[in-house]
Amino acid sequence: DSGVTQTPKHLITATGQRVTLRCSPRSGDLSVYWYQQSLDQGLQFLIQYYNGEERAKGNILERFSAQQFPDLHSELNLSSLELGDSALYFCASSVDQRNSPLHFGNGTRLTVT
Amino acid sequence: GQQVMQIPQYQHVQEGEDFTTYCNSSTTLSNIQWYKQRPGGHPVFLIQLVKSGEVKKQKRLTFQFGEAKKNSSLHITATQTTDVGTYFCAGINDYKLSFGAGTTVTVRA
Repeated sequence: DSGVTQTPKHLITATGQRVTLRCSPRSGDLSVYWYQQSLDQGLQFLIQYYNGEERAKGNILERFSAQQFPDLHSELNLSSLELGDSALYFCASSVDQRNSPLHFGNGTRLTVT
Repeated sequence: GQQVMQIPQYQHVQEGEDFTTYCNSSTTLSNIQWYKQRPGGHPVFLIQLVKSGEVKKQKRLTFQFGEAKKNSSLHITATQTTDVGTYFCAGINDYKLSFGAGTTVTVRA
């Protein structure tokens, strides 16, 4: 158990809809990262937060947004969903914003129909 | 921007054999991390290499960081079925973490 909690585990929704994925980092970790993993694909970095502030952005679509709250949990919002957004979304946390190993949650599997 | 390339993309190994997966960066890295993702699972941190030429071992796994800190390798000896999964390297430069595409390992019993 990595200590990172992601909810929900599975999400099935229709095109055009909006969903929110939630992540609670490991106790003591201040950084939260979001990754997208499509079938048989690598880990595509979306965004990183550190102690409530955005630190780095990857290939995150404008339809996607995220935030980290004062209690350090994070949410990833995906809107105007398309079939191609179907993927496994991982949240990871680390103790700081530089060089520390990432601890991944079990992921949220999103299916857009 | 920084890119981390991993080869091979797929590795099919006979149980008991050795294999190596390689990670190459277009820029000098401050350090490199390796992760393993079992089928249906999430990536799990294996190890971090920081020093030029560093070599670290974890049982049958040997990790190496190149002298120029632009490449790394993971060598597994006497492959077992428990080694099945995808191995990712992640290079860090200027506090930015970049994952390679991973090497997916299958094992023939």
